Amino acid sequence: QQQVKQSPQSLIVQKGGISIINCAYENTAFDYFPWYQQFPGKGPALLIAIRPDVSEKKEGRFTISFNKSAKQFSLHIMDSQPGDSATYFCAAGNFNKFYFGSGTKLNVKP
Amino acid sequence: GAVVSQHPSWVICKSGTSVKIECRSLDFQATTMFWYRQFPKQSLMLMATSNEGSKATYEQGVEKDKFLINHASLTLSTLTVTSAHPEDSSFYICSAKTPGLASEQYFGPGTRLTVT
Repeated sequence: QQQVKQSPQSLIVQKGGISIINCAYENTAFDYFPWYQQFPGKGPALLIAIRPDVSEKKEGRFTISFNKSAKQFSLHIMDSQPGDSATYFCAAGNFNKFYFGSGTKLNVKP
Repeated sequence: GAVVSQHPSWVICKSGTSVKIECRSLDFQATTMFWYRQFPKQSLMLMATSNEGSKATYEQGVEKDKFLINHASLTLSTLTVTSAHPEDSSFYICSAKTPGLASEQYFGPGTRLTVT
């Protein structure tokens, strides 16, 4: 059973646009929702994370929106730049373990 | 801060041999580290949870006798792929959990294993 579903699989955005990636989870016991950015041949880098006591968290150009009742959360990248082109993974779980989404390959066109 | 390193970054070994991959937390102590496997253009699959001073907890379907994990200190965990076969070729990534209430998980740069 897939614990975390992520969409879209790939995304093309023009420079300066907003990139939106969505994730949904099943287990209501999950209490930690991070987003990771991965460049080819590198390990994932933590971008931003949210816990279920808040509905939104913003760090620079990156914002997580969290809907606990719908069991959904999303990543918004404002003013997208070509350097943001990478694969993004959402994850959900708790301190001991979390599960990754299938990934979204983002391509920001100059 | 919160830097995790892996060594080697890539390794080629012959079928039937064993290879060891090291994961180190450079600027913090990690009581818990994780090992993941990632196939090309796919997501990360958790293989096992490594706890300092105790046996690792393996995910369902992961052979513990094939993937030996040792977490001998608060800054080092090792993954040994024993009797490697070509199907073990993959990208292996470790992560380490920072201590405290606001714990986060930070990933190493990964190790590319190719078994010929």
